[in-house]
Amino acid sequence: EAGVAQSPRYKIIEKRQSVAFWCNPISGHATLYWYQQILGQGPKLLIQFQNNGVVDDSQLPKDRFSAERLKGVDSTLKIQPAKLEDSAVYLCASSATGTGARDTQYFGPGTRLTVL
Amino acid sequence: RKEVEQDPGPFNVPEGATVAFNCTYSNSASQSFFWYRQDCRKEPKLLMSVYSSGNEDGRFTAQLNRASQYISLLIRDSKLSDSATYLCVVKAPSNYQLIWGAGTKLIIKP
Repeated sequence: EAGVAQSPRYKIIEKRQSVAFWCNPISGHATLYWYQQILGQGPKLLIQFQNNGVVDDSQLPKDRFSAERLKGVDSTLKIQPAKLEDSAVYLCASSATGTGARDTQYFGPGTRLTVL
Repeated sequence: RKEVEQDPGPFNVPEGATVAFNCTYSNSASQSFFWYRQDCRKEPKLLMSVYSSGNEDGRFTAQLNRASQYISLLIRDSKLSDSATYLCVVKAPSNYQLIWGAGTKLIIKP
């Protein structure tokens, strides 16, 4: 079974530029998550989708970050304009249902963003 | 107080030794607990779930102490390939979101 796919794997941009990340979850998974992981910290949830609807985006900096999952399958996360503090690994994860104690999240390889 | 706290390490341990990590959590209503492993520049991967009665998977043993609100991970006969960051994760009882510790870095030396 194919895992969670993400692209690009690496991106280097200058501050104030825009960047977009793409994620394709495991087939059939209803729930998709975007996390930001800063070096030395655990992942921080940015946004959670259930099919094509947003469940939680309370920690998404909405003045510069946006995300969509239009057809309830793949998703894009955009940063515009980027700041130095956005340098991090952006992880996408998916799970079958998003609810229940036994629902497991599976992670993609991440996109490592460096903002200069 | 952080919701999930871990000793950041690093733990420098000789090959073959036993090493233990502890993690504390703040929400006493939490029901689901996990250990994830993250290799350098890789994504986190589920190592094992933690069950109330404690559970073992080969050289790895996880235990839960609900009264003290801590979770532990024991690695026996450590291998060089065990070098990684170990993340303690608690599933929030209200919305099933994962709450992550900052991770404990383990370095196994030959």
